[in-house]
Amino acid sequence: QKEVEQDPGPLSVPEGAIVSLNCTYSNSAFQYFMWYRQYSRKGPELLMYTYSSGNKEDGRFTAQVDKSSKYISLFIRDSQPSDSATYLCAMTASSGYSTLTFGKGTMLLVSP
Amino acid sequence: GAVVSQHPSWVICKSGTSVKIECRSLDFQATTMFWYRQFPKQSLMLMATSNEGSKATYEQGVEKDKFLINHASLTLSTLTVTSAHPEDSSFYICSARGRSSSTYEQYFGPGTRLTVT
Repeated sequence: QKEVEQDPGPLSVPEGAIVSLNCTYSNSAFQYFMWYRQYSRKGPELLMYTYSSGNKEDGRFTAQVDKSSKYISLFIRDSQPSDSATYLCAMTASSGYSTLTFGKGTMLLVSP
Repeated sequence: GAVVSQHPSWVICKSGTSVKIECRSLDFQATTMFWYRQFPKQSLMLMATSNEGSKATYEQGVEKDKFLINHASLTLSTLTVTSAHPEDSSFYICSARGRSSSTYEQYFGPGTRLTVT
């Protein structure tokens, strides 16, 4: 079983839809959870990070972490064509000197 | 936000030659830099972690003699792919972290696409 599982998609939605992106993980030591957005042939860009369980909201984006289920989500409200990208989840056990473990990424396509 | 650049953005080389990729932090001092490799529709795989002035720490399965990493200054790290082969063709991405930053505060470069013919 891979440490982080993420459905690669593609996930196609019409403009204005609410998008739900998810990752599951197996390592209970993970405490910090990140979502990155990666446009084609570009480096990842940090969207949000969350510590432990709970919700965090930033504009149209909401990140949720359920450590009991080892499940994290990213919700995008009022999706726009410019949101079309690959979304990668990443996680780590420590905020200090530790490395990130990434999911494969989910490709999102928002049609006008 | 912090900016990380990579050069070149795309390189084609012949099998057996060496290629150097540069990663620069433009507006902050990067005490730690990470090098990743990404195959199509695959996740980022960490290759190595380098701290300024120290030898890089390589992940299991990554050949340190093939992928030479140098982090000589607080703003520059280089990855040299030696004796490149077609299977080394991939997207190489670096990220950088500042001195007092947390692990999640890594800023990624735009990546370098390497094609070995």
